[in-house]
Amino acid sequence: GAVVSQHPSRVICKSGTSVKIECRSLDFQATTMFWYRQFPKQSLMLMATSNEGSKATYEQGVEKDKFLINHASLTLSTLTVTSAHPEDSSFYICSARDLGGRSHIEQFFGPGTRLTVL
Amino acid sequence: AQSVTQLGSHVSVSEGALVLLRCNYSSSVPPYLFWYVQYPNQGLQLLLKYTSAATLVKGINGFEAEFKKSETSFHLTKPSAHMSDAAEYFCAVSRNTGTASKLTFGTGTRLQVTL
Repeated sequence: GAVVSQHPSRVICKSGTSVKIECRSLDFQATTMFWYRQFPKQSLMLMATSNEGSKATYEQGVEKDKFLINHASLTLSTLTVTSAHPEDSSFYICSARDLGGRSHIEQFFGPGTRLTVL
Repeated sequence: AQSVTQLGSHVSVSEGALVLLRCNYSSSVPPYLFWYVQYPNQGLQLLLKYTSAATLVKGINGFEAEFKKSETSFHLTKPSAHMSDAAEYFCAVSRNTGTASKLTFGTGTRLQVTL
């Protein structure tokens, strides 16, 4: 149980295009999802917290117009990187929390999406 | 505010030797503490967590960690390293407020296991 999937696992795009990354909780309802960014050999930096049916809460320094987050259902959150540039190349990881179920303090992580912008 | 410090960005041990990965935390409220493992190009897998119950926490793959409030530490140990333990390990803290809270991660420790 507590499986979180991400799609795609790897994406390469041209500079200026937009890329959408999906995060799904497969066997539980995720009332809260988190999006992280990880640069090579570095730690995870929280970008935003996504609550189902409401606007995402962005961390300081994260451009909300560039990183669009939608959490339209209890099992799906999407992160869209708009007008991507090479500096947006990174490993993006989502996590999900089930406030109503198994553990309200634990986050279950997806396998990550490697974005490369040429 | 809360933070985590992981001493040693890289630790190398021989197979069969003791593994000790250090983590110190800072939190203005009682914390929840976590250790995660990350293999290359993969997400994070929870090894163990401290949630204010027993101070000695046992996790998966033979790992355990002890919460020491007086030392503000939550070091990760394993008696005997295996080659498959080579990975990146992250310590993380969140606030123990009874409701969902954000995780703050340490900078990670890369564990190398040699023959």
